[in-house]
Formats: sequence, C-alpha cells, structure tokens
Amino acid sequence: GAVVSQHPSRVICKSGTSVKIECRSLDFQATTMFWYRQFPKQSLMLMATSNEGSKATYEQGVEKDKFLINHASLTLSTLTVTSAHPEDSSFYICSARRLAGAGTQYFGPGTRLTVL
Amino acid sequence: TQLLEQSPQFLSIQEGENLTVYCNSSSVFSSLQWYRQEPGEGPVLLVTVVTGGEVKKLKRLTFQFGDARKDSSLHITAAQPGDTGLYLCAGLTGFHGSSNTGKLIFGQGTTLQVKP
Repeated sequence: GAVVSQHPSRVICKSGTSVKIECRSLDFQATTMFWYRQFPKQSLMLMATSNEGSKATYEQGVEKDKFLINHASLTLSTLTVTSAHPEDSSFYICSARRLAGAGTQYFGPGTRLTVL
Repeated sequence: TQLLEQSPQFLSIQEGENLTVYCNSSSVFSSLQWYRQEPGEGPVLLVTVVTGGEVKKLKRLTFQFGDARKDSSLHITAAQPGDTGLYLCAGLTGFHGSSNTGKLIFGQGTTLQVKP
C-alpha cells in the first residue's frame, strides 16, 4: 500500500505564532495532495487541493492567507497556519493521490494542533 | 452541492452480530472509497470500488457499489471488538485520470462500537 507521512504528529503553540506541517508521499509520486481538517467526532472537511508546481485551490470559506500551502515537489506538500489562534486548534490531515489509477487517496496520520 | 448521506451515524452492537452501513447520493461518482479511522489517527483505506454493481470482499467485510454508481454499502459479518472505529465513505467526483483532477466527497461517518 501507499504510505503518506506527516510531521509533526502533535504541536502546541502560542497564539499569534505560525506552524508548519509537512506531508510526504514516501513510496509514490503525488502531483495532487489534499489538506483536510477534522473536528471531534465529525467527518473530514476539505480545506484545499495542492498541486505540484502551481497555486493551491482553496475551498469556499478557507482563508488562503491564513493557511499557506506549498507543493514544492512530487512528494512534499506543506501547510502553514499563520498567526494561529485557539479556534485554529484541530486535527489536520493530508492525503495524496497517485498519478495513475482510479483516483484513490491515501491519508497521512494527521497532526493535532493546539493553540494556547 | 454534492452530498453523500451516510447512515447510520452511530451503531453499538454485540460481538457476533452483523451490520450494514449505507452511503447514498443523487450524484454519480467515478469511484467510491471506504476508510476506517481510529481516534487520533488518519483514515486507512479499506477498499476502492469503481464499476457499477461491483462487489469486493475483505475478510468479513463486503463492499458493494450501486449499479448507477450513486450509492454503496459496507456489510460486516460477525462483528468483533477489533472492528470498532469510525467508518467513512467517500465518493470521487470530477475525476479525470489524465490530469489527476477531482476531489473526494465524504459521508458523515459511522461510529461503530462492538461490545465483547
């Protein structure tokens, strides 16, 4: 199976600071990666689609200046939460899709962000 | 807005019982993926169904894709405590293999608890 890693798995930061989360596809190339946010006992909410070499596509209601996405290579996408506030505390999950196939997406283990 | 209605949202059963989870939509999907998620972890892919009417089996789990590719079901036979978790269905929409576009639409999730 395809493996997607995320780093860090947990991060605690002070309000007003920025936090960067990395997402890597370890054994396949992913031209497209996705960033999701999940609240307790709820399903996943798509935040943005990250395309290698181009600007990310953000879902309605997601602030692109607050959630900066960089997809610098075929195996790495980063999400930076800028000027984090307590309401940004959440579980952030990335996923990657293989270039070929039925469009199956493989998910990372998630990053728990707590903003104090 | 495309929706994927998943039911039931909560299910608590005794070990050995059978259960079925349903995902229904008015939209046609290129494929449908089922995931299982443990608390604090990312979703793990169980299966991808692509063809209308397709049935896939994974040990005690049986997945079916509707003939019209608008709905799917997950049936678990003789549930065990190890089956406890959050089950998510996700339909792929707007997918074009050559350009790797498209995104997953998630159901609300089914929280399954299997008591010993």
